[in-house]
Amino acid sequence: EDQVTQSPEALRLQEGESSSLNCSYTVSGLRGLFWYRQDPGKGPEFLFTLYSAGEEKEKERLKATLTKKESFLHITAPKPEDSATYLCAVRAGGTDKLIFGTGTRLQVFP
Amino acid sequence: DGGITQSPKYLFRKEGQNVTLSCEQNLNHDAMYWYRQDPGQGLRLIYYSQIVNDFQKGDIAEGYSVSREKKESFPLTVTSAQKNPTAFYLCASSIAGSNEKLFFGSGTQLSVL
Repeated sequence: EDQVTQSPEALRLQEGESSSLNCSYTVSGLRGLFWYRQDPGKGPEFLFTLYSAGEEKEKERLKATLTKKESFLHITAPKPEDSATYLCAVRAGGTDKLIFGTGTRLQVFP
Repeated sequence: DGGITQSPKYLFRKEGQNVTLSCEQNLNHDAMYWYRQDPGQGLRLIYYSQIVNDFQKGDIAEGYSVSREKKESFPLTVTSAQKNPTAFYLCASSIAGSNEKLFFGSGTQLSVL
């Protein structure tokens, strides 16, 4: 069965304290791994797509990496406005739908 | 601006009542999806449609129904058979048959009176 597991469930950081979020997956024929940011009461906002092991993508303070078993979302020198829930999703072979993990709730304090 | 519009933002359902959530997109996407989000759980797929007049059940379709009469619209009906409907409902769309990202609407919070 295709599955996505994110850890930790929640993460509290001091402003400027870098850290990483993990997304491990088991899927038959990975077609893509997606990272989204979700603010409370809003829809997920797209961040990155990764397609193959070794691939990396960056956007401001965020960097996403991918291996054959997991993906990391690295947050460098976070700011309070980075506080949100970060969702990971995978697309398996033969389907358009995305399978989501439960998310990591990040809080960054000044 | 292109995007996905969900309405209403908040919805209340009485016992035994059917309610319909609206989802409209102007991105010219063929594929549309409905997800349900509960606290502490990942997004779970209710129904999806890859083309007009066709749709498939997702992982938790029981108690829900959909229609896809127009490319732009994919309404979701929460029927009285859905015994635990309180959740945040998200509509999304994408280019069918591609490996592109899903675009999401802003969601509808459904609560039971």
